[in-house]
Amino acid sequence: DQQVKQNSPSLSVQEGRISILNCDYTNSMFDYFLWYKKYPAEGPTFLISISSIKDKNEDGRFTVFLNKSAKHLSLHIVPSQPGDSAVYFCAAKLTMNYGGSQGNLIFGKGTKLSVKP
Amino acid sequence: DSGVTQTPKHLITATGQRVTLRCSPRSGDLSVYWYQQSLDQGLQFLIQYYNGEERAKGNILERFSAQQFPDLHSELNLSSLELGDSALYFCASSVQGSSNSPLHFGNGTRLTVT
Repeated sequence: DQQVKQNSPSLSVQEGRISILNCDYTNSMFDYFLWYKKYPAEGPTFLISISSIKDKNEDGRFTVFLNKSAKHLSLHIVPSQPGDSAVYFCAAKLTMNYGGSQGNLIFGKGTKLSVKP
Repeated sequence: DSGVTQTPKHLITATGQRVTLRCSPRSGDLSVYWYQQSLDQGLQFLIQYYNGEERAKGNILERFSAQQFPDLHSELNLSSLELGDSALYFCASSVQGSSNSPLHFGNGTRLTVT
């Protein structure tokens, strides 16, 4: 049972345009969401996060939007650069100890972003 | 460089064997996490240690075990290996055990079981 879903395995975008990566989750108790970026042969690196009390968080070219009613979040990259080409993982967690869960990250399967020059 | 060191980078072994993966967390981080990434899968949480004690358990098989030592490095032991255990195993660390501080991942150990 996949609690965090990234339905697009890949996305191709032209340099300078907007990249939009989507993520859906099923557990309404998740209250903290993160995006990680992963280059080949490296571990994931933290990109940006958002708490469930917010609907938007911005950091430079990266913005994460959260729609709690739809259980959906998205990562916008503007403008996209060739160096942004990587696999992007969405992750969610329960920060409160609920039902025995210790709040560890649940990851999606990732979306491979290719930014073409 | 995340500051998290994992060894070895690659491991090839036969079914039925036992291997040990090692992780050194970032300096100052007390919590260590182990994740498994199989082909075309997301990262699956296995287990977490905080300051030497087990803090949380995920989808970890009984054939797998882990520990965190007094110097805070951690080892993941995989025994009676099966073909399906072939995967990338990531270690991550964070300062606290259950805060929203992001995880810092190592570069992983690629295990191939033949």
